[in-house]
Amino acid sequence: AQSVTQLGSHVSVSEGALVLLRCNYSSSVPPYLFWYVQYPNQGLQLLLKYTSAATLVKGINGFEAEFKKSETSFHLTKPSAHMSDAAEYFCAVSSTGNQFYFGTGTSLTVIP
Amino acid sequence: EAGVTQFPSHSVIEKGQTVTLRCDPISGHDNLYWYRRVMGKEIKFLLHFVKESKQDESGMPNNRFLAERTGGTYSTLKVQPAELEDSGVYFCASSPPGGYRTDTQYFGPGTRLTVL
Repeated sequence: AQSVTQLGSHVSVSEGALVLLRCNYSSSVPPYLFWYVQYPNQGLQLLLKYTSAATLVKGINGFEAEFKKSETSFHLTKPSAHMSDAAEYFCAVSSTGNQFYFGTGTSLTVIP
Repeated sequence: EAGVTQFPSHSVIEKGQTVTLRCDPISGHDNLYWYRRVMGKEIKFLLHFVKESKQDESGMPNNRFLAERTGGTYSTLKVQPAELEDSGVYFCASSPPGGYRTDTQYFGPGTRLTVL
């Protein structure tokens, strides 16, 4: 079975500060992990994904995530937050049947 | 290239009424998924089409929900009769032929359904 836990439903950071959004997963098969972002009134947009090629994955808009098997984690980071990063972020793991299991989402607020 | 589109963007109906949601996937994408997010909770899988066939409908809540994908293009999700607990945002996603676990799913903007 697969599941995802996102710690912190709301995260606030100052503009220019480090962004860290946490994701822990559980998977009975080798995990493939995804981070999506949803801006207001838009669909979910892929930020990055881990498909076992490299443990440090770089995505769009300066985001990256590191797959740590020992910690069953796939935390999302960005060195310097920008106002345009304010959105809701979702971590997901794909199942054997290709469906995604999502976390509950983290809403990021960037304070000027 | 056009993305996944969904119609309507919002729907407000009374308990007991019927609502039909529509999803147009990206052209050429054989795989089509429906998901639902109830307020404050995770996005949950409902079902998966490969072309016009239902590959997996294990997430469908009950028999009040009916999904179709005639001709393997657009899909509809009908809720009849709607109940209060059906309120939420319904997302549609599509992915290219092949259906690998590493495939990106491309999501539409969702339909926000409110049942009063």
